[in-house]
Amino acid sequence: GEDVEQSLFLSVREGDSSVINCTYTDSSSTYLYWYKQEPGAGLQLLTYIFSNMDMKQDQRLTVLLNKKDKHLSLRIADTQTGDSAIYFCADQGRGGGNKLTFGTGTQLKVEL
Amino acid sequence: DTAVSQTPKYLVTQMGNDKSIKCEQNLGHDTMYWYKQDSKKFLKIMFSYNNKELIINETVPNRFSPKSPDKAHLNLHINSLELGDSAVYFCASSQEGPKETQYFGPGTRLLVL
Repeated sequence: GEDVEQSLFLSVREGDSSVINCTYTDSSSTYLYWYKQEPGAGLQLLTYIFSNMDMKQDQRLTVLLNKKDKHLSLRIADTQTGDSAIYFCADQGRGGGNKLTFGTGTQLKVEL
Repeated sequence: DTAVSQTPKYLVTQMGNDKSIKCEQNLGHDTMYWYKQDSKKFLKIMFSYNNKELIINETVPNRFSPKSPDKAHLNLHINSLELGDSAVYFCASSQEGPKETQYFGPGTRLLVL
């Protein structure tokens, strides 16, 4: 089955850039997503990228996709304390039902 | 207006009980989902329904039974609750088709004692 992996923790200083990495195994992925989960809250969609793109920028967020290596990254510029949360990448394969396979989540901690 | 809502937000119950979690979406979406997030924050899909029809049924014990009375509602009934069922259960919805964003509810935190 599909597998999506992320590093568990990332700590950065306020104002620095954060880069959260994700690897996946499903070669039939159509879309890849980044979701943010704040403590005690649900999941908020941040951005997504179609599998035939290699980069997408949306304000402070930049998504890079290396399809050959099955590697996805999310860069947050000028990281703020409000960015502290768990970030999940998710892979949508070609199978029916729009099934999302989530990564293990990366806990981002932003320090002053 | 809340797009995807779940009730209750918190649920504490004894082992062996039967409980239901309700989900409603007012986005006019055709597809609804249940996900389970365990204590390590790992998220996994359980079920998805499209227009009241079951599409995805992952390896979930048959003590879990989803019910979709209409396409705006997807409820989750759990029989004979076990300690390992303690988790956060998220409902989500989307339009049908790839690229359609899934919108998540706030979650129901279930604790089985």
